[in-house]
Amino acid sequence: AQSVAQPEDQVNVAEGNPLTVKCTYSVSGNPYLFWYVQYPNRGLQFLLKYITGDNLVKGSYGFEAEFNKSQTSFHLKKPSALVSDSALYFCAVRDIRNFNKFYFGSGTKLNVKP
Amino acid sequence: DADVTQTPRNRITKTGKRIMLECSQTKGHDRMYWYRQDPGLGLRLIYYSFDVKDINKGEISDGYSVSRQAQAKFSLSLESAIPNQTALYFCATSGPSVVDEQFFGPGTRLTVL
Repeated sequence: AQSVAQPEDQVNVAEGNPLTVKCTYSVSGNPYLFWYVQYPNRGLQFLLKYITGDNLVKGSYGFEAEFNKSQTSFHLKKPSALVSDSALYFCAVRDIRNFNKFYFGSGTKLNVKP
Repeated sequence: DADVTQTPRNRITKTGKRIMLECSQTKGHDRMYWYRQDPGLGLRLIYYSFDVKDINKGEISDGYSVSRQAQAKFSLSLESAIPNQTALYFCATSGPSVVDEQFFGPGTRLTVL
């Protein structure tokens, strides 16, 4: 079965510090992985995706994610956090047996304090 | 998010009432989805549609039905609402490629009393 786990319900960082939001996955075959961000009262917005190739993927708003096949992880990172990065972040994996299905993690709330 | 719109944005209803949530998109995508979001559970797929003639159940379709009236419109109905259907509901679309991401509407907050 395809699944995604986000082990941290909440991550707190100080503005200017690096941030990491963790995601691990379980899939059969090669994974198609995505990160989305949800701001209050808004829908999810796409940040970045890993399909194949370079393990370090760059996305919107200065975010990047590192794909690690041996650890089955796809952690979201940013070198210097902003208060405006505070939001709910979701990791997702696409079902390679049925490409029309996506499986989402439970979400991680990122709090960036000034 | 303006490419995918949902109406209403908020709805409070009573147990047993029939409710319809509507979704429209201007992205020209064939694939459309309905999800519900509950705190701590992430997003769970209710129904998805490849095109107007193809509708499929997701993980949690019981108590829900859908209608794909056109490529651009995908409606979700609760035939007889119950309190545990209180949640945030999202519509999404995606392009034809397996590498395409999803585009989400702003959500409908539904409360069933």
